Amino acid sequence: LAKTTQPISMDSYEGQEVNITCSHNNIATNDYITWYQQFPSQGPRFIIQGYKTKVTNEVASLFIPADRKSSTLSLPRVSLSDTAVYYCLVGALNTGFQKLVFGTGTRLLVSP
Amino acid sequence: GAGVSQSPRYKVAKRGQDVALRCDPISGHVSLFWYQQALGQGPEFLTYFQNEAQLDKSGLPSDRFFAERPEGSVSTLKIQRTQQEDSAVYLCASSFSSGTYEQYFGPGTRLTVT
Repeated sequence: LAKTTQPISMDSYEGQEVNITCSHNNIATNDYITWYQQFPSQGPRFIIQGYKTKVTNEVASLFIPADRKSSTLSLPRVSLSDTAVYYCLVGALNTGFQKLVFGTGTRLLVSP
Repeated sequence: GAGVSQSPRYKVAKRGQDVALRCDPISGHVSLFWYQQALGQGPEFLTYFQNEAQLDKSGLPSDRFFAERPEGSVSTLKIQRTQQEDSAVYLCASSFSSGTYEQYFGPGTRLTVT
């Protein structure tokens, strides 16, 4: 599984757009990029997954440049409830089973 | 629809005691995972079941840890002779199939060994 690097923490204010970048220089051809969100005292929650270019859902957007060595999770107009830890994971599908390998994540604090 | 549930939510054990942690996955989910999360860290993989078969237990930290899923639904993680270093949150996750990174996590069981 490709190693990932992301900022330890980020601060933002309500209503701002937040972009969290994850570096994965050793990403392999078959690897997908997945982001999870974890609130205090809860299990992680799947947010979004992508392979290349841009993916958007009702929660976030994921931007992946052509070289795929990094990816950016974009949260539009954050609210206080977006305060959480965000994890970037990289790995290939269909390799037997999908064991999730989490790093320490990025702690996002949203203030009023 | 119900999500993944875990019980108990909190468990305090004296060092040396045995504990059993239960996970009820989403109905119909084939794959079940256990993770251990230490304070301030991301979850770490412990073991994986596909139906009732335990296909990977490479993450179990010692032979004091044992997991089972006898009928392919409910799973139990047992820790024998608990030690202080076992204190952590134990997370259970399930997924519809093995070929996806979209896992559904329970709230976890916080184990404190005193």
